[in-house]
Amino acid sequence: DADVTQTPRNRITKTGKRIMLECSQTKGHDRMYWYRQDPGLGLRLIYYSFDVKDINKGEISDGYSVSRQAQAKFSLSLESAIPNQTALYFCATSEQTNYGYTFGSGTRLTVV
Amino acid sequence: AQSVAQPEDQVNVAEGNPLTVKCTYSVSGNPYLFWYVQYPNRGLQFLLKYITGDNLVKGSYGFEAEFNKSQTSFHLKKPSALVSDSALYFCAVRDIGYIPTFGRGTSLIVHP
Repeated sequence: DADVTQTPRNRITKTGKRIMLECSQTKGHDRMYWYRQDPGLGLRLIYYSFDVKDINKGEISDGYSVSRQAQAKFSLSLESAIPNQTALYFCATSEQTNYGYTFGSGTRLTVV
Repeated sequence: AQSVAQPEDQVNVAEGNPLTVKCTYSVSGNPYLFWYVQYPNRGLQFLLKYITGDNLVKGSYGFEAEFNKSQTSFHLKKPSALVSDSALYFCAVRDIGYIPTFGRGTSLIVHP
């Protein structure tokens, strides 16, 4: 089993729909992150959490929300999806920020 | 503030030749630097990091990177490229107290 599991792997949704992307990890890491990847733009940070009671906005948090249900689970929600949220979304974990990240395999989201 | 630049969108190299993927950075303090690789339809994988110490850092799959403080660079290198090294490579930098910032990525293509 993967250390960081993202579900679903692929999703097509309609504009205006609410959608949740889920991430779970078995690394035992306290720190979890959500990034989106767009061609030519690299990875941009959406939200991050350093423990269950900690939620922080990243550089592109507008239109997104997160929930840290437990140390091992960190969900990303799009309350009302729009086409420019079409992207590849990655969850990542780290033991400390100056250690490397462990990434999930990604969720490819298409908003039509 | 922190920033990172990968000046080449794509690098082409023949199998068996040495490869270099460039990365430059800007931070206020001492940088923490990372390289990741992304194979098609996969998440990012950690390759190596520089925190402190020797300027030449060795990582996974025969890759190494050289930290050059005067040139604010952290170029990724490998003495002899393999076709299987073809992938997308990301450099990331972190200033103390910040979450890492990723570059836009460089596509490495190794020709047989």
